[in-house]
Amino acid sequence: EAQVTQNPRYLITVTGKKLTVTCSQNMNHEYMSWYRQDPGLGLRQIYYSMNVEVTDKGDVPEGYKVSRKEKRNFPLILESPSPNQTSLYFCASSLTGPVSGYTFGSGTRLTVV
Amino acid sequence: GNSVTQMEGPVTLSEEAFLTINCTYTATGYPSLFWYVQYPGEGLQLLLKATKADDKGSNKGFEATYRKETTSFHLEKGSVQVSDSAVYFCALSGDNYGQNFVFGPGTRLSVLP
Repeated sequence: EAQVTQNPRYLITVTGKKLTVTCSQNMNHEYMSWYRQDPGLGLRQIYYSMNVEVTDKGDVPEGYKVSRKEKRNFPLILESPSPNQTSLYFCASSLTGPVSGYTFGSGTRLTVV
Repeated sequence: GNSVTQMEGPVTLSEEAFLTINCTYTATGYPSLFWYVQYPGEGLQLLLKATKADDKGSNKGFEATYRKETTSFHLEKGSVQVSDSAVYFCALSGDNYGQNFVFGPGTRLSVLP
């Protein structure tokens, strides 16, 4: 089944403890992206990657890192999480870019206390 | 910059009612337009898209027509079902990179039996 897989689905952590949210897609998509979804603020892009080893900042990149060492994986790294990073996170991929339509993962609900 | 405006929800309808969710956009050039749907507890799914003026996107009984003269992409369905209850997002892509892709705020639809 064609899909984007994120892990974990739920995570509660403490301020300052480094964490990684994994994202993997099995559709051979070139383009991958991370979004966060917050009530009243909608979906905002954190980072995106047009291809292996090519990443760029989205609208809200502060406090996040990403890497794209291989086509299928695009992990999101929070080096020192803070409470304002409590959110619902989505990984998404598309064949060539947003114009070809996104496939989204099921989401990761992160709580930083 | 690019932006998307959607009608505020929530929208509550009875089963078999006609649905319209308004979406208007502001963009330079000729963006591609999308509707995504988010069911409870899930990631977003691409519902339909249109890439040029006068195109009609359709899927699962939903339709939307790209109207450049009114900068609109309203979502319609002739007869809604309880299973259509979800949040609907209008979106546009100004190009195939990340920075010109914008989601609207979302419209929550509840369909009552």
